[in-house]
Amino acid sequence: QKEVEQNSGPLSVPEGAIASLNCTYSDRVSQSFFWYRQYSGKSPELIMSIYSNGDKEDGRFTAQLNKASQYVSLLIRDSQPSDSATYLCAVTVRPTGNQFYFGTGTSLTVIP
Amino acid sequence: ETGVTQSPTHLIKTRGQQVTLRCSSQSGHNTVSWYQQALGQGPQFIFQYYREEENGRGNFPPRFSGLQFPNYSSELNVNALELDDSALYLCASSLGGGLETQYFGPGTRLLVL
Repeated sequence: QKEVEQNSGPLSVPEGAIASLNCTYSDRVSQSFFWYRQYSGKSPELIMSIYSNGDKEDGRFTAQLNKASQYVSLLIRDSQPSDSATYLCAVTVRPTGNQFYFGTGTSLTVIP
Repeated sequence: ETGVTQSPTHLIKTRGQQVTLRCSSQSGHNTVSWYQQALGQGPQFIFQYYREEENGRGNFPPRFSGLQFPNYSSELNVNALELDDSALYLCASSLGGGLETQYFGPGTRLLVL
């Protein structure tokens, strides 16, 4: 069973809409959760981290964590064409040490 | 920019050869993690170095090895290259040996022919 699963997409939304990206993880002692954005041919860049159940907002981005249901999501409000990228969910799992488990990523396209 | 640098940016090798990739961590960071990202996949954890000691390893064979220097820069060595080793190799630095946020370098794209 994969540690982290994401819908690979592609997900297309019109400019100005809300994009919703989801990630589920396996039943382990997951510690920390991260969302990274990766443009084609580039390396991942951190969007936000979340450690506790609930919502965390940073500008147009909101991360939501529900440990009981084992999912973490990312909402992008007022989506812009520059948000078009692959979004990677990453989870750290304490029993196996310090490694980040990444999902395969969701490709997002924002249509002008 | 994260302050994490990697060299070289691109590399072409033939099967059976050996390669060394280099990474300089962000100032003040003492932990370096290495990942392999195949096309269309998420990054896969290779190993992590914390204060010059290996601090966790993913499911990669022993021909993948590394080290970290006193200035916290790091090297990834891959022996007996295989075609499937063709990928983007990412280095990420963080502060501390735990679960802190990791910041990625630009990556080294390796092509094995």
